[in-house]
Amino acid sequence: DAGVTQSPTHLIKTRGQHVTLRCSPISGHKSVSWYQQVLGQGPQFIFQYYEKEERGRGNFPDRFSARQFPNYSSELNVNALLLGDSALYLCASSLTSGRGNEQFFGPGTRLTVL
Amino acid sequence: LAKTTQPISMDSYEGQEVNITCSHNNIATNDYITWYQQFPSQGPRFIIQGYKTKVTNEVASLFIPADRKSSTLSLPRVSLSDTAVYYCLGPFSGGYNKLIFGAGTRLAVHP
Repeated sequence: DAGVTQSPTHLIKTRGQHVTLRCSPISGHKSVSWYQQVLGQGPQFIFQYYEKEERGRGNFPDRFSARQFPNYSSELNVNALLLGDSALYLCASSLTSGRGNEQFFGPGTRLTVL
Repeated sequence: LAKTTQPISMDSYEGQEVNITCSHNNIATNDYITWYQQFPSQGPRFIIQGYKTKVTNEVASLFIPADRKSSTLSLPRVSLSDTAVYYCLGPFSGGYNKLIFGAGTRLAVHP
């Protein structure tokens, strides 16, 4: 079975631009979460979606938005990019959004903002 | 929001047993403790999860004392490929499956 897939693997943008990151969950998983990992730190929670509805949001500005599609894939959008948005963006899928559900992470998208 | 504390780094040698302890003083009565492993340039990978006493799987063991204020991840007979960052994930916030990562413990296994 395929694991969580993310695209693109690497991305270079300049300040002020917009970026869209994509994630395909494991087949049968209905929940997708997004995390940001800055170099040297642990991942920080951004969003969780379940059955196309937002179930949770982390402490990130409104420049960050996401959505989940009927096939459970998801997009993370970041507007007006800042240098500080440079990070590894991780997508994780789980069967449901319930507490304790094991989350399976993708390889991430490395975003560099110049 | 409860916080977890674990050592920043540890060193070991191949074949040794490694124990990484995490403190989580304010864990809620219905929360699990979960450990993840992360290799460079990869997403974290679930290792083990427990609620109390001892849990063992093919990769590791997790020891949680009765007061549940700490937990210890035990890796038997480590190899070079166990060099990674290990995260003890604190109590979940809210009713959904949000993972709260700290800085983790960087384990370096030497030949």
